[in-house]
Amino acid sequence: NAGVTQTPKFRVLKTGQSMTLLCAQDMNHEYMYWYRQDPGMGLRLIHYSVGEGTTAKGEVPDGYNVSRLKKQNFLLGLESAAPSQTSVYFCASSYVGQGNSPLHFGNGTRLTVT
Amino acid sequence: GQQVMQIPQYQHVQEGEDFTTYCNSSTTLSNIQWYKQRPGGHPVFLIQLVKSGEVKKQKRLTFQFGEAKKNSSLHITATQTTDVGTYFCAGEDPSSGSARQLTFGSGTQLTVLP
Repeated sequence: NAGVTQTPKFRVLKTGQSMTLLCAQDMNHEYMYWYRQDPGMGLRLIHYSVGEGTTAKGEVPDGYNVSRLKKQNFLLGLESAAPSQTSVYFCASSYVGQGNSPLHFGNGTRLTVT
Repeated sequence: GQQVMQIPQYQHVQEGEDFTTYCNSSTTLSNIQWYKQRPGGHPVFLIQLVKSGEVKKQKRLTFQFGEAKKNSSLHITATQTTDVGTYFCAGEDPSSGSARQLTFGSGTQLTVLP
């Protein structure tokens, strides 16, 4: 049982480049989330989805877009990367809303924007 | 918006000493979750507290939820090197609606010296 799988694990971008981070879960969870983790700031929610075909903004959505075309996949896109987007990105999923069930996290993607 | 403060940011202890991290919210919470993140790893769910004044134990770990549901603590008795990592609290804002979003504290990084 793979759980939550993120690809890639590492990526280096130049300012202005674009990329897509892929998250896949095999637990049939309805809810999926993208977080970023920066030193001393905990985990901040970027975007989330409450089901296939739905997306919503979290705490820090600017500069990111997401799509949930299939229930098991949640994609995070950076259209024009900026150095401020250097961070570790975690995808997570939960069976129901995150306040009522545990979050299952992927292993993370370390992104550096130069 | 809701803020969740966590202290201390760092804690160094000798193996065998006790450790406590505290979490305080600016608003009343519906519930609170605790996660552990090993160095280089991803957050892993430990426990959820829902009731006012609730106390739960997991072996050497004791979790408490305050009577006013605005604060929580995690206490580890007789730390071991396997306890090393960052401990996060995450509280649910009752006004977050169907998405039931969590707000994470900034975490307490625990170092255990052998």
